[in-house]
Amino acid sequence: DTAVSQTPKYLVTQMGNDKSIKCEQNLGHDTMYWYKQDSKKFLKIMFSYNNKELIINETVPNRFSPKSPDKAHLNLHINSLELGDSAVYFCASSQFGRETQYFGPGTRLLVL
Amino acid sequence: DQQVKQNSPSLSVQEGRISILNCDYTNSMFDYFLWYKKYPAEGPTFLISISSIKDKNEDGRFTVFLNKSAKHLSLHIVPSQPGDSAVYFCAASGGNTPLVFGKGTRLSVIA
Repeated sequence: DTAVSQTPKYLVTQMGNDKSIKCEQNLGHDTMYWYKQDSKKFLKIMFSYNNKELIINETVPNRFSPKSPDKAHLNLHINSLELGDSAVYFCASSQFGRETQYFGPGTRLLVL
Repeated sequence: DQQVKQNSPSLSVQEGRISILNCDYTNSMFDYFLWYKKYPAEGPTFLISISSIKDKNEDGRFTVFLNKSAKHLSLHIVPSQPGDSAVYFCAASGGNTPLVFGKGTRLSVIA
């Protein structure tokens, strides 16, 4: 009965590879987000989708492409992975217009 | 350019005492503030929030105070319990700015 789930939890890969992280929420929310927590521990928003439409794109490299097949899912595809992409990626969801966001457990990405 | 600052990276408190975590912000457009709690290897969990029209919000052992003129908010936990040991993030939103998080304060409650 996990509210916001992410897969995989850990991801270790080589530079230059392409990888995807999946996120699903069963809270009935219509807005979903991707955040990146870097080595300095800052949580920064990357993208936000409302009803499958992109509403926030915080100057993230084009190598990152979110995809929302429906309101309950927001996946993140990363092309040509770089060392600096190593971080923890969190998915979150909320009801549009409400500030409280609910987070998934995170995906720990390590690029070697 | 940190719009939300948590200047204390860590805090240690005795069990049963009060824990006070502080947060400062710079963006005067912020009108909603939240505290999240994070355990290792888990995602942040919403704890308590406050709108800029209030100066205090209380939920059980947790109280958030907002001082708009000083652009400062604080989270009080009383009494502190060992299970409260976690990283606490302050977050703020408002205007067209999406949720902005501070760097977090690691709270250790010592039994």
